[in-house]
Amino acid sequence: DSGVTQTPKHLITATGQRVTLRCSPRSGDLSVYWYQQSLDQGLQFLIQYYNGEERAKGNILERFSAQQFPDLHSELNLSSLELGDSALYFCASSVEPGSHYEQYFGPGTRLTVT
Amino acid sequence: AQTVTQSQPEMSVQEAETVTLSCTYDTSENNYYLFWYKQPPSRQMILVIRQEAYKQQNATENRFSVNFQKAAKSFSLKISDSQLGDTAMYFCAFVPPGAGSYQLTFGKGTKLSVIP
Repeated sequence: DSGVTQTPKHLITATGQRVTLRCSPRSGDLSVYWYQQSLDQGLQFLIQYYNGEERAKGNILERFSAQQFPDLHSELNLSSLELGDSALYFCASSVEPGSHYEQYFGPGTRLTVT
Repeated sequence: AQTVTQSQPEMSVQEAETVTLSCTYDTSENNYYLFWYKQPPSRQMILVIRQEAYKQQNATENRFSVNFQKAAKSFSLKISDSQLGDTAMYFCAFVPPGAGSYQLTFGKGTKLSVIP
C-alpha cells in the first residue's frame, strides 16, 4: 500500500459526459501528479500540482482540468468524454524538495467510456 | 525533449534464474534521476529502484540491481533469483530535476513472465 488513495476504482460512463476522479496523497506529500495510461499512448504525464498551485502541464487536453484543495487532495475533471479517453488514470504524490523525486502511485481509476 | 526507450517488449525467465531488462534514455541534462517501476496484473505501480545520475555506484535493492552507464545513457535492471511474483510490466522512468518540474517520462515497458 503506497498510502495514495484514489476513488473511484472503476468508472463507466457514456460519451459526452463529465466525470471527476479524486486523489488523496500520502501524508506529508505536497505534490500531486496525474498520469494517463492507455494502450496506444503508454504512460503519459498530464498535470502536476504543488501545495495547491499548478506547477506543470503535460499532454493534457483542454477538456480536462484539475485542482488541488487546501487539504492537498486533488481532483481531475474530464468533460465531453470521448471513446479515446478510456484509460487507467493514476495519481502519484511526492514530497519536495529533498525527496529524491520518488513518486508513489495510487491504485488508479479505470475509466471506460461507452 | 527527453525520451526513454525500452527495446524489449516481452521477456521470459525461468524461476530462480537471472534476467536483465534494458533501458536507454536521451537527455541533455547532467543531473537527473532514473527509476524502475513494476506494474503487476493488479495494475498498481510499484517503485522498484532509484538511481541518481551523480552517483557512480549502482543502486541495489535486495534481488534488484541496476547497471547505470551514464556516458552510454543506459540503465538496465537485473533481477536475480526470479520469483513468480516478479511477473509484471516493468517501466523505466526518468526525471530531470533541472527542468523545474518533476514529472516522470516513462518508456513503453517490458512485459516479464517468470516461468515455473
